[in-house]
Amino acid sequence: DAKTTQPTSMDCAEGRAANLPCNHSTISGNEYVYWYRQIHSQGPQYIIHGLKNNETNEMASLIITEDRKSSTLILPHATLRDTAVYYCIVRGYSGNTPLVFGKGTRLSVIA
Amino acid sequence: GAVVSQHPSWVICKSGTSVKIECRSLDFQATTMFWYRQFPKQSLMLMATSNEGSKATYEQGVEKDKFLINHASLTLSTLTVTSAHPEDSSFYICSAPGQSKGNTEAFFGQGTRLTVV
Repeated sequence: DAKTTQPTSMDCAEGRAANLPCNHSTISGNEYVYWYRQIHSQGPQYIIHGLKNNETNEMASLIITEDRKSSTLILPHATLRDTAVYYCIVRGYSGNTPLVFGKGTRLSVIA
Repeated sequence: GAVVSQHPSWVICKSGTSVKIECRSLDFQATTMFWYRQFPKQSLMLMATSNEGSKATYEQGVEKDKFLINHASLTLSTLTVTSAHPEDSSFYICSAPGQSKGNTEAFFGQGTRLTVV
């Protein structure tokens, strides 16, 4: 699986959009970008994934650059409960292999 | 609601004793499950892959005789930490691939915080 690079930490004001970047310059053509988050002392939670088109669901939006070498997860209206570590993971579509976690970005939403 | 249930959520045990952690897929069958360990302020590290009907596959550096994995059924995998020591204190998390449920994302248990005293 391709390696990803994320900032170590970010702050965001409550109610504002949180934009979390991820670099994955070695991504291959059949690899997807997945985002998970881990709230303190809980298991990771799936957020969203995409291949090349931008994606949106009830939790977030995923913007993938045209060259697919980077992406941005957008939480449109961050709340205090969005404070967590966010992991960007690149992997093939087959879901039967384990996820490999990097260090992620620690997002702190501030009141 | 949760699709992967892990039990217990936390456990405290004495050095030298064994602790069993259960991971259940609630509404789907999982022929494969994954076990992770997470130390404070660190990321999740894959320990082993649990396979129903066959032996588990362990990552390099993980002692198979210390961390016993049994995939007893298509909905249950257990991790037993044998002869636990304080350095085994960690957050243990299981995961089941979503493929079995028709999804591509993985589902994770709530995690088990093990403290060895």
